[in-house]
Amino acid sequence: ELKVEQNPLFLSMQEEKNYTIYCNYSTTSDRLYWYRQDPGKSLESLFVLLSNGAVKQEGRLMASLDTKARLSTLHITAAVHDLSATYFCAVDMWYNQGGKLIFGQGTELSVKP
Amino acid sequence: NAGVTQTPKFQVLKTGQSMTLQCAQDMNHEYMSWYRQDPGMGLRLIHYSVGAGITDQGEVPNGYNVSRSTTEDFPLRLLSAAPSQTSVYFCASSYPPGRGTEAFFGQGTRLTVV
Repeated sequence: ELKVEQNPLFLSMQEEKNYTIYCNYSTTSDRLYWYRQDPGKSLESLFVLLSNGAVKQEGRLMASLDTKARLSTLHITAAVHDLSATYFCAVDMWYNQGGKLIFGQGTELSVKP
Repeated sequence: NAGVTQTPKFQVLKTGQSMTLQCAQDMNHEYMSWYRQDPGMGLRLIHYSVGAGITDQGEVPNGYNVSRSTTEDFPLRLLSAAPSQTSVYFCASSYPPGRGTEAFFGQGTRLTVV
C-alpha cells in the first residue's frame, strides 16, 4: 500500500528566510506532483516531476525528486507572505494502478513579516 | 475554459438522505477521481475511473457509489448520508499518467450531514 508522508505539517516562517518541505513515499514511483491550496479554494498544480533527479523551479519555489530515496523536496527561497498556503505532494501509482493519485497530509505554510 | 465543474458548491443533508454530487470535465480526459478532504488528513481517494465504463475503489470507498457512462461525467452518489461523511469533496481529471501531466481539480463541494 502506498503511503505518502509530508513534514513538517505546519510551518511558520519569517519573510526572507529559506526552508524545505519534505515528501516521503513508500513504494516505487517516478511520478510526483506538488499542489498549492489557498484557504477555501481548490488545488492548483505547481510542479510535475517525472524522473529521478528531476528539478523544477518557479519563482521562489524549487522542487526535486530522488526516486531511489523515495523523497521529494519543495524548497522555499526568501519567503514572502504571498506564499502562505497549504502545499501537498501526491504520488501516482501509475505502474499498475494508473490514475490512483495518493496525497500527503499537506504542509500548512504561514509566512509572517 | 470550464475545466472541471462540480455541483453543487454547498449542500446540507440529513442523516439517511441520499444525494449525487456531479462532476463534469470538458478536456477529454480519460482519468477521473473523487477525493474527500478532512482537516489534517490531506486528500483521500474515494473512487477513480480510467475510462468510460471502468471504475475502481480508492482508499475510502465505503458509503459511496460511482459510475462512468461517458468520458465527460463522473457522478458520486452518497447512498445513506452519515455525519462522518461531512467533508469537502473534490473531483479531478487527467490524461493517463504516461503522458506526464497533472490532474486538474474542480472547485469542491462542501457537504454537511446533520
